[in-house]
Amino acid sequence: DGGITQSPKYLFRKEGQNVTLSCEQNLNHDAMYWYRQDPGQGLRLIYYSQIVNDFQKGDIAEGYSVSREKKESFPLTVTSAQKNPTAFYLCASGIRDTGHFGQGTRLTVV
Amino acid sequence: GQSLEQPSEVTAVEGAIVQINCTYQTSGFYGLSWYQQHDGGAPTFLSYNALDGLEETGRFSSFLSRSDSYGYLLLQELQMKDSASYFCAPTPYNTDKLIFGTGTRLQVFP
Repeated sequence: DGGITQSPKYLFRKEGQNVTLSCEQNLNHDAMYWYRQDPGQGLRLIYYSQIVNDFQKGDIAEGYSVSREKKESFPLTVTSAQKNPTAFYLCASGIRDTGHFGQGTRLTVV
Repeated sequence: GQSLEQPSEVTAVEGAIVQINCTYQTSGFYGLSWYQQHDGGAPTFLSYNALDGLEETGRFSSFLSRSDSYGYLLLQELQMKDSASYFCAPTPYNTDKLIFGTGTRLQVFP
């Protein structure tokens, strides 16, 4: 079955450490996205990529970095520069009318 | 600029009909999507309106009026499992990204 896989589901990070969240899709989608969701809030766009080797900043890109070396993969690195990284991170792919989401990674800074 | 407005919370009883409104301000957009998200889960796609008018999918219908910058999601024959957050998401012109608001939390009571 086609879909999006995010890993890990839960992640704990010490302050000052970088951490990378994985996102893989086998839907053959060109576009991929990373969103952040805080408790009781909506989704805010961090980065998105419309094609391999190209990506654009979203509304809250500071403290994050991404790469898009393969069509299937769009990893997100949460750097130590991100001051409040504890959140639910969602990866998505697809065109504008049928976005598919992964099951999310819940990141907690300890 | 871009802005989205949805009611923060709506309550209803099983079997009822509920309408969740969405008003938006964008400089131009392709269409309007709706997503459902249960607590702790990932958003799932419900519907997409590329044109003005009503789109029906089972118990759910979605409406778009571009001239009024307005859309709504209509849920009929409510069930307990419909308790979730609902997000409208327009896609601005010349991008493939979805803009999410803070969503509407629907609570269905017996």
